[in-house]
Parts: sequence; structure tokens; C-alpha cells
Amino acid sequence: GNSVTQMEGPVTLSEEAFLTINCTYTATGYPSLFWYVQYPGEGLQLLLKATKADDKGSNKGFEATYRKETTSFHLEKGSVQVSDSAVYFCALMDSSYKLIFGSGTRLLVRP
Amino acid sequence: DTGVSQDPRHKITKRGQNVTFRCDPISEHNRLYWYRQTLGQGPEFLTYFQNEAQLEKSRLLSDRFSAERPKGSFSTLEIQRTEQGDSAMYLCASSRLSTSGRPYEQYFGPGTRLTVT
Repeated sequence: GNSVTQMEGPVTLSEEAFLTINCTYTATGYPSLFWYVQYPGEGLQLLLKATKADDKGSNKGFEATYRKETTSFHLEKGSVQVSDSAVYFCALMDSSYKLIFGSGTRLLVRP
Repeated sequence: DTGVSQDPRHKITKRGQNVTFRCDPISEHNRLYWYRQTLGQGPEFLTYFQNEAQLEKSRLLSDRFSAERPKGSFSTLEIQRTEQGDSAMYLCASSRLSTSGRPYEQYFGPGTRLTVT
């Protein structure tokens, strides 16, 4: 069946450090892929998406590239800020258009 | 665009009681989804509607759970005879459909946190 695997957290970084959060997926076909972010006390917000192989999604300095050959969609940011502290969820959209989420990765950025 | 709203935001109930949650999707969004999120985990799909039709239900949705979307607008999720294992955040999301019938991305509400004591 379809599934998403994320690196376990928490990930602790200093401000302005480079961020990578790994995400790999198992799916039939080529699903759309998403990153959602959940700030403390808030709901899930769509961060970025990619709908086909080699697509790069980007938003707010975050990027992720849809890699069909490695079935990956790793999230990156060149310079994190304290305000980026949140839980990040990788997800795929299956053939009936529902989302399958990973277990989330908590990011803590220290000043 | 007022976003997806959910009510209540928090609910504490005693085991065995019934609870009902409401979700108001973004206007003109045809699809409405319910997910459940337990502590430290990602959301898990429960069910979804396209307009007023409930098209899919997860095996997680036991017979104590029922969801409706009358007239294709707001939706309610009812849990009967609540159990402690029902304690979780219940999330609602909505999306619109493209002209080809493919849904666009899902937008989530703030969730209803249920605590069963």
C-alpha cells in the first residue's frame, strides 16, 4: 500500500543553518507530493507541492524536488529562522485523492 | 476566503457519551475530508465527501462514527459511546475540483481536540 516515511525528529539547528528533512514514499504510479507545516497551537498549512517527477515545489525559502528514481521528496531551506520552528509533514495524494501523511518531523531552531 | 472552520475547538467528555463536531469548508469547495491525528503522529484519513455524497470511509471509522454533509455544505462528525482511545485531534479539510474532476490541494481547519476521560 501507499506510505510515507520521514526522518525522526526532533531536528535542532542554530539560526541560519541549512535544513534538510528527508522524506521517502511508497506508492503505485506517480502521486502528487506535499509538505505541510504545523506551527504550535495551529492547524496544518500547505507549504509546497509537486505534481510530477522532477517538479520543484518552493515557498517561503523552502524547496523540495520530486525524485522518481529515489522515490523521495526531501525538504530543504538554505537558512532557517527561529520562526521556522514547527512540525513538518510530508504527504502523498493517493489515487482516490486522499492524503497519506508521514509521522512528522519536529524542527527546533535556536537563536 | 475565510478558510476552513471547525467547532468546537476543544471538547472534554466522559467515556460513553456522544459528541458531535462541525466543519464549515471553504465556500465552493466540493470535497470535504475528515482526518484524525493522535499525539506525535501524522493525520490519518477517516472519510470524505464530494458534495453531499460520502464516497469513501476508512477502516478506522468504526460503526460508532458517523459523518454527514447535508446539502453539500457543512459537515458533522458524530462519535457515539466515546472511548478513551477516541482522544485525538479531529481535522477537517476541503478542496475544490478542477474542470477535469481532479481535486486541487487540501486546506485544513484548526481541528477539534477531543479528550475522553
